[in-house]
Amino acid sequence: DAGVIQSPRHEVTEMGQEVTLRCKPISGHDYLFWYRQTMMRGLELLIYFNNNVPIDDSGMPEDRFSAKMPNASFSTLKIQPSEPRDSAVYFCASSLLAESVETQYFGPGTRLLVL
Amino acid sequence: DAKTTQPTSMDCAEGRAANLPCNHSTISGNEYVYWYRQIHSQGPQYIIHGLKNNETNEMASLIITEDRKSSTLILPHATLRDTAVYYCIVRVDFGNEKLTFGTGTRLTIIP
Repeated sequence: DAGVIQSPRHEVTEMGQEVTLRCKPISGHDYLFWYRQTMMRGLELLIYFNNNVPIDDSGMPEDRFSAKMPNASFSTLKIQPSEPRDSAVYFCASSLLAESVETQYFGPGTRLLVL
Repeated sequence: DAKTTQPTSMDCAEGRAANLPCNHSTISGNEYVYWYRQIHSQGPQYIIHGLKNNETNEMASLIITEDRKSSTLILPHATLRDTAVYYCIVRVDFGNEKLTFGTGTRLTIIP
């Protein structure tokens, strides 16, 4: 398996533009997570899905952020409009609820810079 | 509501055992101790987890005290590639409760 795939790996945009980050989870995993990492705040959970349904979006910073999971193999995190303070590394992770223990597998991340 | 406390940074000589402590004095009976690490410019990587017994895998060993209020991750023969930030996390083991990452320990392996 190729692991969790994220695209793009790097994104530079100007303030006010729409940004869309993409994630393909590991095949067969039922859970998908979006995280954001900055030097100031560390690694924060933004939202997670179970079987394509959003379960907890309490970490989404504000209405400018939205996430969708139209099918089991694809998810997007959208920022509209983007602001410089959104600059961070965004990670997608997936996991399989199996038996009694599961672990999350992380993608390589998308480095976002908003100018 | 930090559930764990870790030292900010540690150094270890290459080839020696690296022992990373973690305090989790408020851990509940149904919470596991998980360890992840993050090498620079990469996503977090799962290392090991345990409930109350000591655990060992190909990457590391996990020693949990009898009262479960603290634990130690042991990298038996540290290499330069083990330089990373190590996160100790406690979480329940049903459903798929979100991982809450703290600030971790920045481990530097010195040649």
